Amino acid sequence: EIVMTQSPATLSVSPGERATLSCRASQSFSSNLAWYQQKPGQAPRLIIFSASTRVTGVPARFSGSGSGAEFTLTISSLQSEDFAVYYCQQYNYWPPVFGGGTKVEIK
Amino acid sequence: EVQVVESGGGLAQPGGSLRLSCAASGFTFNNYEMNWVRQAPGKGLEWVSYIGSGGRTIYYADSVMGRFTIFRDNAKNSLYLQMNSLRAEDTAVYYCARGVGLRGVTMDVWGRGTTVTVSA
Repeated sequence: EIVMTQSPATLSVSPGERATLSCRASQSFSSNLAWYQQKPGQAPRLIIFSASTRVTGVPARFSGSGSGAEFTLTISSLQSEDFAVYYCQQYNYWPPVFGGGTKVEIK
Repeated sequence: EVQVVESGGGLAQPGGSLRLSCAASGFTFNNYEMNWVRQAPGKGLEWVSYIGSGGRTIYYADSVMGRFTIFRDNAKNSLYLQMNSLRAEDTAVYYCARGVGLRGVTMDVWGRGTTVTVSA
């Protein structure tokens, strides 16, 4: 089973700053990767699929990149509503696997 | 409004059973693949099971294989998860999620979840 490793586990960022979240896979694949945002007490929300395609309605400050075994989610200028936990998920191989998550907190 | 709503969670004893339900609305249910995903207290997300739109193609995580059964009733726009031989490590919030894209496991619509607690 593929292993997805996210880093850092916690990212402390000031509002307006840039956040860069990493997701590394134990095996390489093309772009079959999604990112989800989860706020406390809420269900996850799909924000990025195919590594770099934003879901309709997701602000342009969210961008995804990468292929192979290294993927990145960048939030260009953090807003108060962006503080949450972010999960990557590969869907290139069975079973689909989530990373352990990165918590983006207010610095 | 496109939505899915889970129900059926609760307290079960180790070795016991529960059946979760997920009611879908606002979209053509029989056109979509569906999934169950769980989240243990304070932990990350774990995919549990997948079912194809017609109900014939089914996959499970190794951790629940042989104990859980996913099925759907397209006439009732409903998804189910029959959970048998429950263990303490099955304690989690269980989410029903609509699948799209490759393999149907990119999950674009999620319910609020239903909580399952396995304890004596």
